[in-house]
Amino acid sequence: DAGITQSPRHKVTETGTPVTLRCHQTENHRYMYWYRQDPGHGLRLIHYSYGVKDTDKGEVSDGYSVSRSKTEDFLLTLESATSSQTSVYFCAISEGPSGNSPLHFGNGTRLTVT
Amino acid sequence: TQLLEQSPQFLSIQEGENLTVYCNSSSVFSSLQWYRQEPGEGPVLLVTVVTGGEVKKLKRLTFQFGDARKDSSLHITAAQPGDTGLYLCAGKRYGNKLVFGAGTILRVKS
Repeated sequence: DAGITQSPRHKVTETGTPVTLRCHQTENHRYMYWYRQDPGHGLRLIHYSYGVKDTDKGEVSDGYSVSRSKTEDFLLTLESATSSQTSVYFCAISEGPSGNSPLHFGNGTRLTVT
Repeated sequence: TQLLEQSPQFLSIQEGENLTVYCNSSSVFSSLQWYRQEPGEGPVLLVTVVTGGEVKKLKRLTFQFGDARKDSSLHITAAQPGDTGLYLCAGKRYGNKLVFGAGTILRVKS
């Protein structure tokens, strides 16, 4: 298995509070991604990174920000959590751009916003 | 509306039966991937197809990419309980990011 660790694995938080999810990789892959998975929608890209301090928005980026200060860590922050952000969040890594290279996923973080 | 439509959404079959899962779009893709996901885990890549009409086999699983590169299918022969899971297709359009279908939940009963 690719060395990808997501933390925490489960989180319950209240509406309006900030939340940070962490993704740590030991594969030295250049590309890192944050997806959310919701029933009926599959996986939707939130943000991705193509290098240290190089990030870009995905299809559902509103309400989320990211940071990548080191190759191995990619942080996803919900500045003020809302109930619509209740979801399972997956981090993924790849050596090259997605679609050209396989994605390797972490085991997810289940976030509940009450 | 999903760019990639997967069907069926849910499939429950007996061990030993054959099945086919479909992934359809009106868009052309430069490549298409299939992933399998088990409960509590992240998706795992099964195959990538890049050439129109391409067929790839992985043991009892056969993957096909449509001639026009707009659709793909996954056929499982003699399904086993270990095949149970969520099957996701993901396509890359030229100059765009990878997009996922909503998935097909497969349950194989023994």
